Amino acid sequence: AQSVTQPDIHITVSEGASLELRCNYSYGATPYLFWYVQSPGQGLQLLLKYFSGDTLVQGIKGFEAEFKRSQSSFNLRKPSVHWSDAAEYFCAVGGSGNTGKLIFGQGTTLQVKP
Amino acid sequence: NAGVTQTPKFQVLKTGQSMTLQCAQDMNHEYMSWYRQDPGMGLRLIHYSVGAGITDQGEVPNGYNVSRSTTEDFPLRLLSAAPSQTSVYFCASNQNRGTEAFFGQGTRLTVV
Repeated sequence: AQSVTQPDIHITVSEGASLELRCNYSYGATPYLFWYVQSPGQGLQLLLKYFSGDTLVQGIKGFEAEFKRSQSSFNLRKPSVHWSDAAEYFCAVGGSGNTGKLIFGQGTTLQVKP
Repeated sequence: NAGVTQTPKFQVLKTGQSMTLQCAQDMNHEYMSWYRQDPGMGLRLIHYSVGAGITDQGEVPNGYNVSRSTTEDFPLRLLSAAPSQTSVYFCASNQNRGTEAFFGQGTRLTVV
C-alpha cells in the first residue's frame, strides 16, 4: 500500500540554523512527490515538487529537496531558517492511477527559536 | 483568479444535523478532492472526483456524500453529523496526477 512517513512530529531549530525535514514513502512506481507548508489557520501552499529528472529540486522560500530512490526518501532542506518558516510541513505522494489524489504524511511542526 | 473557494470557514453543528460544505474552483481543473485534517494524522482523503459526474471514495468516506454535477463545484455533504466528524476540511483541485494540488482555506467544523 502507498504510504508516506514523516518520522519527526516536532522539530525546533534556532533562527539561522540549517534545517532538514525527513520524508519516507512507499510506492510501487516512480512517485510524484510534493512538500507543502501550512501556516496556522491557513490552507496548504506548495513548496516544491518532484516528477522526474534532476533529483535535487528547488522550491520557493529557499527550500530544496532531494529524491533518493534507493532510500525511498524525499527530505526537505533549508540552509538558514527564518522565524517566518515556523509552520507545519507535509510531504505527499501522488496516488496511483490518474486520479489527482494525494497521500500525505502526518506532518512535521517546525518551531524556530530566536 | 480566486483559485479554490470553500464556504463556510467555520461551522458548529449539533449531533444528527446535516449540512453541505461548498467547494468551487475557477481553474477548469478536472480533479477535485476532499480531505480532513486531524492532529497527528496529516490529511486523509474522504472523496475525490476525476471529472463531472465521476466520484469515488477515498480513505475515510463513511458519513460523507459527494456529487460533481459541474467541473467547478464539488460539495461535501454530512448526512448526520457526529462528534467524530469534528475536523478541518480541505477541498483541493488539480489538473491531473502529475501536477500540484491547489487547496482552499479550509472549513473548521465542530460537532457538539
